[in-house]
Amino acid sequence: EAQVTQNPRYLITVTGKKLTVTCSQNMNHEYMSWYRQDPGLGLRQIYYSMNVEVTDKGDVPEGYKVSRKEKRNFPLILESPSPNQTSLYFCASSSGTSGTYTYEQYFGPGTRLTVT
Amino acid sequence: TQLLEQSPQFLSIQEGENLTVYCNSSSVFSSLQWYRQEPGEGPVLLVTVVTGGEVKKLKRLTFQFGDARKDSSLHITAAQPGDTGLYLCAGDAGSARQLTFGSGTQLTVLP
Repeated sequence: EAQVTQNPRYLITVTGKKLTVTCSQNMNHEYMSWYRQDPGLGLRQIYYSMNVEVTDKGDVPEGYKVSRKEKRNFPLILESPSPNQTSLYFCASSSGTSGTYTYEQYFGPGTRLTVT
Repeated sequence: TQLLEQSPQFLSIQEGENLTVYCNSSSVFSSLQWYRQEPGEGPVLLVTVVTGGEVKKLKRLTFQFGDARKDSSLHITAAQPGDTGLYLCAGDAGSARQLTFGSGTQLTVLP
């Protein structure tokens, strides 16, 4: 089954304690992204990756890091989490663009993070 | 950053009613996607519109892309409780950054 998986699904942590949210896709997609979803703000892109070893900032990258060492995995790293990073996080993958439009994004089930 | 505004933010209607959700921007998009998100899940693509003025139908859902490719609408005919969810529009500027999402419309259809 084609899917994007994220772990953990729920995480409660304390300020300053480093954490990693894993993301994996089995569709051989080149493009992967991380979004955060907050009430009234929709989905905001944190980082994206166009291929292995190629990553770039989205709209809200401050306080986050990513890596893309393998095509299937795109972990999100919070080196020193703060309460304003409490949010619902989604990983997504797609096969990229046609040159005219962006192909469908497949989303993971989300990770609800609470930083106290 | 290109912005997409969705309206209304919340919509609660009775089963059988019709409704329209709007997605507006001052920017031109090369395409626009509509997603639906249910509680505890990630968004799922409903449709992609590419050409200005394009209309696409998905059963009781009708999607339209504005002539100038700055806005879009989603019309649901005879809404059913199964239509309940968060509807998100996403504009594609044609860059490698992919999509810019609207803030969403939370639709509740009451039986």
